[in-house]
Amino acid sequence: GVTQSPTHLIKTRGQQVTLRCSSQSGHNTVSWYQQALGQGPQFIFQYYREEENGRGNFPPRFSGLQFPNDSSELNVNALELDDSALYLCASSPRTAGVAADTQYFGPGTRLTVL
Amino acid sequence: QKEVEQDPGPLSVPEGAIVSLNCTYSNSAFQYFMWYRQYSRKGPELLMYTYSSGNKEDGRFTAQVDKSSKYISLFIRDSQPSDSATYLCAMSAHDMRFGAGTRLTVKP
Repeated sequence: GVTQSPTHLIKTRGQQVTLRCSSQSGHNTVSWYQQALGQGPQFIFQYYREEENGRGNFPPRFSGLQFPNDSSELNVNALELDDSALYLCASSPRTAGVAADTQYFGPGTRLTVL
Repeated sequence: QKEVEQDPGPLSVPEGAIVSLNCTYSNSAFQYFMWYRQYSRKGPELLMYTYSSGNKEDGRFTAQVDKSSKYISLFIRDSQPSDSATYLCAMSAHDMRFGAGTRLTVKP
């Protein structure tokens, strides 16, 4: 399955954070989401074969990387209080000609910004 | 208007009841429709995945998509206390859009 680390994280405003994800074996697409309390996940960006393949309405201080070994990172610079949320990664197999595959989510990293 | 609207609930039903969960959407480009279940402090778990209009059944769960009305539903038959969770509708053309989720409690 999809794994994420760390489980919980506490940072202070202005700091930088890196969250990690390990995709399900055989999946070459990873997406990252932010889920505020009581809300549905919001799409941050998607990576396919190590290239950004779509981005939601998030500022450039949210950035990502995907590595050849099916792992990926979400980096957030200059943390703000509103960045406190559950950060989810989801992996999916990418089939040619299919606009969107089913996505399989990890358990998330809960980030608290003080 | 949000791109995906989901009845917020919360919804509380007795064990054995039929549950109906619904979402509406505004983007006619959406082609893929999904329902996820999310337990407290966990990641969403895929329940149902449908493409275009029609019905799909999987055990106690039935998903319906009506693209002409831009309306999707999830029905849960013979609901169980273990079904208590937040249910998220999701749909996509390229990237995925989620509803806010409906919190369901099934009481024994």
